[in-house]
Amino acid sequence: EIVLTQSPGTLSSSPGERATLSCRASQSIISDYVAWYQQKPGQAPRLLIYGASSRAPGIPDRFRGSGSGTDFTLTITRLETDDFAVYHCQEYGSSSWTFGQGTKVEVK
Amino acid sequence: EVQLLESGGGLVQPGGSLRLSCAGSGFSFTTYAMAWVRQAPGKGLEWVAAVSGNGNDAYYADSVKGRFTISRDNSKNTLSLQMHSLTVEDTAVYYCAKGAGFFGSGSSIDHWGQGILVTVSS
Repeated sequence: EIVLTQSPGTLSSSPGERATLSCRASQSIISDYVAWYQQKPGQAPRLLIYGASSRAPGIPDRFRGSGSGTDFTLTITRLETDDFAVYHCQEYGSSSWTFGQGTKVEVK
Repeated sequence: EVQLLESGGGLVQPGGSLRLSCAGSGFSFTTYAMAWVRQAPGKGLEWVAAVSGNGNDAYYADSVKGRFTISRDNSKNTLSLQMHSLTVEDTAVYYCAKGAGFFGSGSSIDHWGQGILVTVSS
C-alpha cells in the first residue's frame, strides 16, 4: 500500500502570497495518478487537480499541480481569502486509493 | 448537475450494523466507478471502498475488509455500503463519491456527496 506524506502540516500565509504544498509517496505512482482536493470546514472536498497537473473544470489557474514519480506539489500562486482551507492529496493509480493526511493553509 | 445524496446514517452500538445508501443523479450512473470515503472527527480523509461501473469489481481498505460490503444497483442509480461489526473507530462522516472513470484504478473523484454521519457508541 502506498503511503502519502504531506508537508507542511500547517502553512501560515497571507493573501497575495505564494503557497507551496508537498505530497511525497512511499513508492512511484503509476501514470502520475495524483489528485488534489480542497476542503473547507463543514463541506465536502472539491477536486482541484487530477493527473498531477490537470485542473478540474472551473478551477482558477492560480492552482497549479506538478511533479511525477514520488514527489508532487500543489502551488497556489497568489492566495485569495477563499483559498484558506485544508488540502488533501490522493493517489488513484492502484486499486487501493490513498489520501495524505492533509495540509491546512491558514491566515498568518 | 451531478448530485449525490447519502442516507442511512445515525447512531449504532459497537458490534452493530448499518446500511448507507447514496442516490446519484445528473450523470450516466453505470458509466462511472463509485466509492465511499470517510473522515473521522478532526481527521483526514480515508478511502473505504470502491466499485466499478458495472459492479463487477469491488475494492476495500484493509481497515474494513471482511466487515463492509459495497454494492450498486444501476437500475436504481443507487450505491450502498453495508457495514457490520462496527467499532468506535468507524465513527466518521461518510462521503459518497463519484469516480471520473469506469474503474476505481485510474479514476480521481470528481464529485462528492455532502456526507452523512455515522456514530458508533454505547
